[in-house]
Amino acid sequence: DQQVKQNSPSLSVQEGRISILNCDYTNSMFDYFLWYKKYPAEGPTFLISISSIKDKNEDGRFTVFLNKSAKHLSLHIVPSQPGDSAVYFCAARGERNYGQNFVFGPGTRLSVLP
Amino acid sequence: GAVVSQHPSRVICKSGTSVKIECRSLDFQATTMFWYRQFPKQSLMLMATSNEGSKATYEQGVEKDKFLINHASLTLSTLTVTSAHPEDSSFYICSARGWTGDGYTFGSGTRLTVV
Repeated sequence: DQQVKQNSPSLSVQEGRISILNCDYTNSMFDYFLWYKKYPAEGPTFLISISSIKDKNEDGRFTVFLNKSAKHLSLHIVPSQPGDSAVYFCAARGERNYGQNFVFGPGTRLSVLP
Repeated sequence: GAVVSQHPSRVICKSGTSVKIECRSLDFQATTMFWYRQFPKQSLMLMATSNEGSKATYEQGVEKDKFLINHASLTLSTLTVTSAHPEDSSFYICSARGWTGDGYTFGSGTRLTVV
């Protein structure tokens, strides 16, 4: 059973517009969440994180929103740039080995069109 | 910033041989490193957690005798795929906790192809 879900396998956005990537989780014990970006044949790059004590965290063009009651988080990229085209993974801290394990979602491929 | 170097980036080996993948933290000490595997069009799957100086903790379904992990120092962890078979062909990625404490730094990955 998939504990972290990213229901949109792909998303296309026009350059300059907002990209919204969604992530849902089922485990109420998750309390720390990360977003990673991955280019083909490269390792993931950390983007932004949020802990369950917050509902929003902002870093430059990237903002993550957390809705604990809905077990939902989203990553907003504003404005979107062609270089943002990549696969984005949502990850949540697992309940075992607290502070170490992360469970990854399947990823969403973002394409930013010039 | 924290840098994790993974080597080799690409390797092709014959079925039945063993392949070693290295993961080094270049500018910080990583007491814990993680090894992931990614199948095509699928997410990262945690294989094992590697702690310096002790035995690795393997995830359910991962054969510890096939995927040997050694974490002999605070800056180096190795994954050896023993007696590789074509079904072991995959993209293997290591990561370590970054010095900022926020998020994890990943290596660039190793594309293993077993022929």
